[in-house]
Amino acid sequence: QVQLQESGPGLVKPSETLSLTCAVSGYSISSGYYWGWIRQPPGKGLEWIGSIYHSGSTYYNPSLKSRVTISVDTSKNQFSLKLSSVTAADTAVYYCASGGGEDFDYWGQGTLVTVSS
Amino acid sequence: DIQMTQSPSSVSASVGDRVTITCRASQGISSWLAWYQQKPGKAPKLLIYAASSLQSGVPSRFSGSGSGTDFTLTISSLQPEDFATYYCQQANSFPRVFTFGPGTKVDIK
Repeated sequence: QVQLQESGPGLVKPSETLSLTCAVSGYSISSGYYWGWIRQPPGKGLEWIGSIYHSGSTYYNPSLKSRVTISVDTSKNQFSLKLSSVTAADTAVYYCASGGGEDFDYWGQGTLVTVSS
Repeated sequence: DIQMTQSPSSVSASVGDRVTITCRASQGISSWLAWYQQKPGKAPKLLIYAASSLQSGVPSRFSGSGSGTDFTLTISSLQPEDFATYYCQQANSFPRVFTFGPGTKVDIK
């Protein structure tokens, strides 16, 4: 059973970089699967941010691509999200998730990140 | 970019009702469509993948159908634990982009 747990600051200042990590247990990242980040602004719907495959290939939402970096640390069995130049519009619950192909069957519990000075 | 729409945006229903939610893609996506259920304060839960395949552990009252641009999620007999928001999600093969629909809230009539 794959388990995912997000961690990182809950408060980020405008114009700074949001950084989150997703710790994976129950499965080795380097063995396969793909790993992604999805966010949900308060009271709104889900938005896919990007995904990284075990091979290292990355895919980003075109609307966020210029600000997003997703990376994998196989030694720690975790993957990370960096979102630069944040504004209040980036305030959201951020989920990490994983799947074997075209969907996400394992999700973290989510972490609220607020962008405010 | 492929856009996803869902209808209705909300539906009020009673326990035992049959509920159908529609999802439409702006261009053909074959059968690369998934459905999720989300309850307040919780992460989404995968219900259906590849348009019509039931995820392990999901009750058989949930079913999905469709291909190309038009898809449906059906709950055959609504149960109290089914009151939630439902999202569809497409996975385009090239470029590799995932898009969620805006959601359909199912609440108590």
